[in-house]
Amino acid sequence: EAQVTQNPRYLITVTGKKLTVTCSQNMNHEYMSWYRQDPGLGLRQIYYSMNVEVTDKGDVPEGYKVSRKEKRNFPLILESPSPNQTSLYFCASSSEGMNTEAFFGQGTRLTVV
Amino acid sequence: SQQGEEDPQALSIQEGENATMNCSYKTSINNLQWYRQNSGRGLVHLILIRSNEREKHSGRLRVTLDTSKKSSSLLITASRAADTASYFCATGKAAGNKLTFGGGTRVLVKP
Repeated sequence: EAQVTQNPRYLITVTGKKLTVTCSQNMNHEYMSWYRQDPGLGLRQIYYSMNVEVTDKGDVPEGYKVSRKEKRNFPLILESPSPNQTSLYFCASSSEGMNTEAFFGQGTRLTVV
Repeated sequence: SQQGEEDPQALSIQEGENATMNCSYKTSINNLQWYRQNSGRGLVHLILIRSNEREKHSGRLRVTLDTSKKSSSLLITASRAADTASYFCATGKAAGNKLTFGGGTRVLVKP
């Protein structure tokens, strides 16, 4: 089954404690992206990757890092999480960037206290 | 920044009625997509319409695109309770490689 898998689904952490949210897709997609969703603000892009070892900033990259060492994986790293990073996070992948449909993971609800 | 802005923000209808929601955007686009999100879950792609297309259908969905007005509409015909969800438009630009989402329309279909 074609899917994008994120882990964990729920996470509560404390300010400053580094964390990683994993994302994996099984569709051999070149394009992957991370979004955060906040009430009233819709989805905002954090980072995206056009291919292995190619990443670029989205609209709200501050406080986040990503890496793309393999085609299937695109982890999101919060080196020093802060309460304003409390949000619902989505990973997405597609075969041709913004020219084709994107497949989304089920989301990771992160709370930073 | 939000490229697409949906209108209305919320919509409540009876089962069997049609639901129409609109999306406006600010800059030129390569394509416009509509997604559905059930409460707190991932987004599901509904339909993609390219900038050189004016109308597209998929099952009970009809999407129109007016590039001169920088707007799109999504019509759901004969709505069902299972259509209760939030609907988002997302635009893709010719330059760059990202989808920019609007704030969404929350649709409630009452049985």
